[in-house]
Amino acid sequence: NAGVTQTPKFQVLKTGQSMTLQCAQDMNHEYMSWYRQDPGMGLRLIHYSVGAGITDQGEVPNGYNVSRSTTEDFPLRLLSAAPSQTSVYFCATGMGASNEKLFFGSGTQLSVL
Amino acid sequence: AQKVTQAQTEISVVEKEDVTLDCVYETRDTTYYLFWYKQPPSGELVFLIRRNSFDEQNEISGRYSWNFQKSTSSFNFTITASQVVDSAVYFCALRFGGFQKLVFGTGTRLLVSP
Repeated sequence: NAGVTQTPKFQVLKTGQSMTLQCAQDMNHEYMSWYRQDPGMGLRLIHYSVGAGITDQGEVPNGYNVSRSTTEDFPLRLLSAAPSQTSVYFCATGMGASNEKLFFGSGTQLSVL
Repeated sequence: AQKVTQAQTEISVVEKEDVTLDCVYETRDTTYYLFWYKQPPSGELVFLIRRNSFDEQNEISGRYSWNFQKSTSSFNFTITASQVVDSAVYFCALRFGGFQKLVFGTGTRLLVSP
């Protein structure tokens, strides 16, 4: 069981470039989400999905796009990278019940120059 | 507004000392859930404990203990006889309403020296 797999682990982009961060899970979780972690800010929710074909915005969605065509995958797209998007990105999944924990991927460290 | 405050940015202790990490939360909801996660230097967040708003019973798990007090809106975490492997960033989080409504504190970095 791989759990939650994120790729790549590290990425450097130039301003204006686009890229996709991948997240895959093999736990059959309905809920998947993307967080960004910035120094002194904790983790902030970017986008989330409660099932295939259903996505919604979190606290900081601007500049990011998501889709959920399968239960297993939830990619995060940066359409035109900006230095403000330099951060560590985490994918997190769960069963969807309010008392349930989240399962996190190992993170992607992104630098935008 | 829903909010989690971890006022301690960084704590340094020497091995075998006890250390308490503070977490204060704000919510108007009567039903909510509190969590602690650990982020070791490897980067991955690991779940430690959850507590719901109806259960104020404190919990001890090995060297870890948690003190939940609704009267002061606090959910503090104590490590007894700290070890170097406890060095990590610890996050407190509050879930209110739906599953996606999860607010994290800014984290407390714990450094345990030998």
